[in-house]
Amino acid sequence: EVRLVESGGGLVQPGGPLRLSCAASGFAFSSYWMSWVRQAPGKGLEWVANIKEDGSEKYYVESVKGRFTISRDNAKNSLYLQMDSLRAEDTAVYYCARGSAAAYWGQGTLVTVSS
Amino acid sequence: DIQMTQSPSSLSASVGDRVTITCRASQGIRNDLGWYQQKPGKAPKRLIYVASSLQSGVPSRFSGSGSGTEFTLTISSLQPEDFATYYCLQHNSYPYTFGQGTKLEMK
Repeated sequence: EVRLVESGGGLVQPGGPLRLSCAASGFAFSSYWMSWVRQAPGKGLEWVANIKEDGSEKYYVESVKGRFTISRDNAKNSLYLQMDSLRAEDTAVYYCARGSAAAYWGQGTLVTVSS
Repeated sequence: DIQMTQSPSSLSASVGDRVTITCRASQGIRNDLGWYQQKPGKAPKRLIYVASSLQSGVPSRFSGSGSGTEFTLTISSLQPEDFATYYCLQHNSYPYTFGQGTKLEMK
């Protein structure tokens, strides 16, 4: 069974950093692109970033470029999202998903950016 | 960026109804489109991939069609558990983009 478990969310002040993690199990993690998708409270889904199987290619939505970094550790079956210079508009539930086409999703972790 | 225009934004229907939701892409995306169902407080679940392939375990009352710029999700006979919000996602070119969602409510 594919399982994705996000962690690391919480309350952070504007301008601060936060690192999200996603622990994967039930599939060959190193064989799949992985993605982050977010959903602001009461809003729709927004694709944030994805990363190739070996980490050699990374893509981001314009609004997070230069502030967020997606990475992975295939030895640990883990996906990460380092978020710096956080803004109020980054407040959202962040989901990790398997594949660039988001076939399977974790349960999400809430990030709240507020002073 | 490719814009995905989803319609309608909300829809009232009854159990047993046939329902169709549409996504239009601002430029051609071949069949690089998926459909997702989200219930309140839950993660999205993929129903359809590459526009018309049914995800394993998804009931056959769900179907997808289309290619290029126009895509549809059809639920042939609504069941009580189908009342949810539905999204399309294009994964043809970066940045990937979702439709704004269709909230399917019980009439």
